[in-house]
Amino acid sequence: DVKVTQSSRYLVKRTGEKVFLECVQDMDHENMFWYRQDPGLGLRLIYFSYDVKMKEKGDIPEGYSVSREKKERFSLILESASTNQTSMYLCASTNGGGRRNEQFFGPGTRLTVL
Amino acid sequence: GENVEQHPSTLSVQEGDSAVIKCTYSDSASNYFPWYKQELGKRPQLIIDIRSNVGEKKDQRIAVTLNKTAKHFSLHITETQPEDSAVYFCAASGAAGNKLTFGGGTRVLVKP
Repeated sequence: DVKVTQSSRYLVKRTGEKVFLECVQDMDHENMFWYRQDPGLGLRLIYFSYDVKMKEKGDIPEGYSVSREKKERFSLILESASTNQTSMYLCASTNGGGRRNEQFFGPGTRLTVL
Repeated sequence: GENVEQHPSTLSVQEGDSAVIKCTYSDSASNYFPWYKQELGKRPQLIIDIRSNVGEKKDQRIAVTLNKTAKHFSLHITETQPEDSAVYFCAASGAAGNKLTFGGGTRVLVKP
């Protein structure tokens, strides 16, 4: 069974703080993704990575950066948190090859920025 | 880039009735269309998917249909049960490989 874990379920931070959200998968997946989920907007892709040390911008990368130093770990960084970054953050991973592109999601981190 | 629109945003059905959720996409190069179900407080999970070389796919009480010409696809749930209550997301993926673009989600409530 694929397991995707995220470092925190709930996080409260202050405006201007640097925030780290970590995601770890244990199935040797090549591809990892960070989404934010807001009511009515679905899941919006922030950044993704196809390989170690590789990153690509998604649809809403502004205000975020990422790091992938090891294959199993993908970190999302909010350099200077703002209130409009209050959201649910979901990490996902998937295998690079094969016909089935199923993305396996982590449990999510609900971030509140005060 | 790809844009996926999903309707309706909320859907209330009586137990035993059918539910239909519709999505449209913009990128004609998209060739993979999954549906995810997210129960309250849980993570999204894949329930069914379809590729562009197929027009319809069924798995027990759920089915997806795809019309590539019109660039729309639908999820059909028959004989709905209370455990079908959840938020459902459609998505599309194409030339960018495993990158998915999601619709805005449909909250389905099955009333007993």
